[in-house]
Amino acid sequence: QVQLQESGPGLVKPSETLSLTCTVSGYSISSGFYWGWIRQPPGKGLEWIGTIYHSGSTYYNPSLKSRVTISLDTSKNQFSLKLSSVTAADTAMYYCARHSRGFYEGFDIWGQGTMVTVSS
Amino acid sequence: QSALTQPPSASGSPGQSVTISCTGTSSDVGGYDYVSWYQQHPGKAPKLMIYEVTKRPSGVPDRFSGSKSGNTASLTVSGLQAEDEADYYCSSYAGSNNFVFGGGTKLTVL
Repeated sequence: QVQLQESGPGLVKPSETLSLTCTVSGYSISSGFYWGWIRQPPGKGLEWIGTIYHSGSTYYNPSLKSRVTISLDTSKNQFSLKLSSVTAADTAMYYCARHSRGFYEGFDIWGQGTMVTVSS
Repeated sequence: QSALTQPPSASGSPGQSVTISCTGTSSDVGGYDYVSWYQQHPGKAPKLMIYEVTKRPSGVPDRFSGSKSGNTASLTVSGLQAEDEADYYCSSYAGSNNFVFGGGTKLTVL
């Protein structure tokens, strides 16, 4: 059974870099699938942040592309998100998830999410 | 890229059917058969309910069905049950390696 778990600081200061990690269990991420990050501001809808393929290829939301980096650590079976120059608008629940059958497809397995607040 | 347009709310009585729309453009919903629907209960992660416009993952009741016409996709929930009360989101592949979600619809079971 594949499971995803987000981890990282719950509070980040404005202008700093948000860093989160998603640990995958029950499946080796180097074997396949696309792995993504999605966020949800309090009381608002979902926003796709970006996705990484098991090969390391990355795909980013154009509106966030200049500030986002997603990377893999296959030795730890993890993938990570870095979002630079954060502001209060980046306060959100951050989810990691797996694309179900390919990049074009939706997300079939989600982590429980981790809340990140941007505040001084 | 703009978010897909969903009605903020929808409602129905137990046993009834309700349909939620998701309107995009020919660059996303209308251009690809890669529309998905998610159910999200308060404080929980989203759950995939429909993929590739009409397909249901294993374990999703057949009361949930999806369709698409032009630039608008729809999710229909038949035989409404109390546990169907949740937020529902659509998503679509948007070309050029982009992905877009809808703004969400709060479904209330009266």
